[in-house]
Amino acid sequence: DVKVTQSSRYLVKRTGEKVFLECVQDMDHENMFWYRQDPGLGLRLIYFSYDVKMKEKGDIPEGYSVSREKKERFSLILESASTNQTSMYLCASSSPDRPYEQYFGPGTRLTVT
Amino acid sequence: DAKTTQPTSMDCAEGRAANLPCNHSTISGNEYVYWYRQIHSQGPQYIIHGLKNNETNEMASLIITEDRKSSTLILPHATLRDTAVYYCIVRVDEGGSQGNLIFGKGTKLSVKP
Repeated sequence: DVKVTQSSRYLVKRTGEKVFLECVQDMDHENMFWYRQDPGLGLRLIYFSYDVKMKEKGDIPEGYSVSREKKERFSLILESASTNQTSMYLCASSSPDRPYEQYFGPGTRLTVT
Repeated sequence: DAKTTQPTSMDCAEGRAANLPCNHSTISGNEYVYWYRQIHSQGPQYIIHGLKNNETNEMASLIITEDRKSSTLILPHATLRDTAVYYCIVRVDEGGSQGNLIFGKGTKLSVKP
């Protein structure tokens, strides 16, 4: 069974902290994505990666960075967390020949206080 | 990308077929129709996709009208676990696609005993 896992289901951090969200997939997918989901705004793409050490900005990259050192792992970094980054964060992966057939992790609900 | 229109909510009796419609009247010839669902507090789940032929897999069937302006996702025997928000998404699926999924508001399907 295909699997995308995220390091935490729930996370509470303070304003100004550096936050790491980890995502691991076991499908040998080249593509990996980070989205955030907020009520009324749907899913919005933060960053994505086509391959190891490659990254591309999505629609809302400000305040975030990413790291992809290994094919199976894609990390989202909040350099200095702010309250407006309180959200559900979702990681996904797909193969390049089926970029829209994405497999999502369970999500991390991040609260920044 | 073509815009999609779905009903806000639908009810279905357990064990009966759930037919979820989607209108995509401005779809272009190279755009695929994708369906995802999101069960409460979980990440979105890919269901099925198609271009112009009807498709079936272990989860659902996808019926696309001949003019491709609308489609219907069919869950043949709905269970309580199928209660979720169902999203219809139209995207061009070709090599080099960014893979950015854009979720609208979807249809909230409630399966009732």
